[in-house]
Amino acid sequence: DTGVSQDPRHKITKRGQNVTFRCDPISEHNRLYWYRQTLGQGPEFLTYFQNEAQLEKSRLLSDRFSAERPKGSFSTLEIQRTEQGDSAMYLCASSLDGTRPDTQYFGPGTRLTVL
Amino acid sequence: AQSVTQLDSQVPVFEEAPVELRCNYSSSVSVYLFWYVQYPNQGLQLLLKYLSGSTLVKGINGFEAEFNKSQTSFHLRKPSVHISDTAEYFCAVSVPRTGRRALTFGSGTRLQVQP
Repeated sequence: DTGVSQDPRHKITKRGQNVTFRCDPISEHNRLYWYRQTLGQGPEFLTYFQNEAQLEKSRLLSDRFSAERPKGSFSTLEIQRTEQGDSAMYLCASSLDGTRPDTQYFGPGTRLTVL
Repeated sequence: AQSVTQLDSQVPVFEEAPVELRCNYSSSVSVYLFWYVQYPNQGLQLLLKYLSGSTLVKGINGFEAEFNKSQTSFHLRKPSVHISDTAEYFCAVSVPRTGRRALTFGSGTRLQVQP
């Protein structure tokens, strides 16, 4: 079993640019989550997919953020018109429906720096 | 809404000494509880989880945690730490009865093991 993978691992961008991150979940997992982690804090939930359906979005997910999971496998998270406050580690996790508890397995994260 | 409090932001300890990392949660309904570890510049790795049943849960790397419903606590312990245990530890909770899948994390405890 390969784990959750994320690409890129690091991204440096200038304020106002758009960025897109990719997450590949564990192959049989049908649930996929995005979290954001700022320095010195725990991860904060952004959004959650079950298969290709986006079932839950946090208030943290502003209009500049959009996430997709078009075929129920990999997912992308896009941030438009980046701001310095978007600098954070973006974590992806996946889990398998029907397991108790719903245990989420995390990827290595994408560290975004907005200059 | 549920919340998680990790009472210590940093815990320094000498190698081979015992350690306890404290976690308290707040929820009006039953919860699932988790401890994750995060090594520098990496994602989160699951240490252990509590669903129900025995209040003492054993995890990987010699860690264990005890669920105390009356104290709403889920403290993490290890009888003898190693240098390699130096990392950030996060307590997290999910509330299955609400149907929400998001994990709510504490702000983390940095364990610093000194030789």
